[in-house]
Amino acid sequence: ETGVTQSPTHLIKTRGQQVTLRCSSQSGHNTVSWYQQALGQGPQFIFQYYREEENGRGNFPPRFSGLQFPNYSSELNVNALELDDSALYLCASSTGTGGYEQYFGPGTRLTVT
Amino acid sequence: AQSVTQLDSHVSVSEGTPVLLRCNYSSSYSPSLFWYVQHPNKGLQLLLKYTSAATLVKGINGFEAEFKKSETSFHLTKPSAHMSDAAEYFCVVSGYAGNNRKLIWGLGTSLAVNP
Repeated sequence: ETGVTQSPTHLIKTRGQQVTLRCSSQSGHNTVSWYQQALGQGPQFIFQYYREEENGRGNFPPRFSGLQFPNYSSELNVNALELDDSALYLCASSTGTGGYEQYFGPGTRLTVT
Repeated sequence: AQSVTQLDSHVSVSEGTPVLLRCNYSSSYSPSLFWYVQHPNKGLQLLLKYTSAATLVKGINGFEAEFKKSETSFHLTKPSAHMSDAAEYFCVVSGYAGNNRKLIWGLGTSLAVNP
């Protein structure tokens, strides 16, 4: 059984640029959730995708967008990067949309300069 | 509305002594509860979960948690701390964000283990 994988592991971007982060869900999981974790903080829910549709969103602006593909892998896109977007971005997969345990990838560390 | 409160932001113990990380929750229905651990510069790992079965839940690495409905608590314990237990611990409850059922995260407890 393959776990959740994310790429890249680290990324440095300049303010105003755009970034795409990728996540492959665990085998058998059809739901992917994305979280932002700033240094020293807990994870903040960005949004969730279930069977290629967005299924709930946290308090993040529209420049945070996502996709889920037929194989349940997912992308997180962030446009017009701001310095405050610097964080660890975590992807989690699960077998259902709510109340189910989520399995996390190692994260992508994004630094915006 | 559902919420979760981790009562201690930092806990420090000596190696070999018991660990207690406290978590209270609020839920209008029977919740699912989880504990996750995050080691420095790592992703999150599920320690254990409660989903309305046995109230004493055993997890990985010798951790366990007891669901106490009367006290609305789900405290995490371990009889004897190991240096490798030093990490950030998150208590999580399933709940609703708007109309969608989601996981609601506590702010975390940082566990330090002293030699």
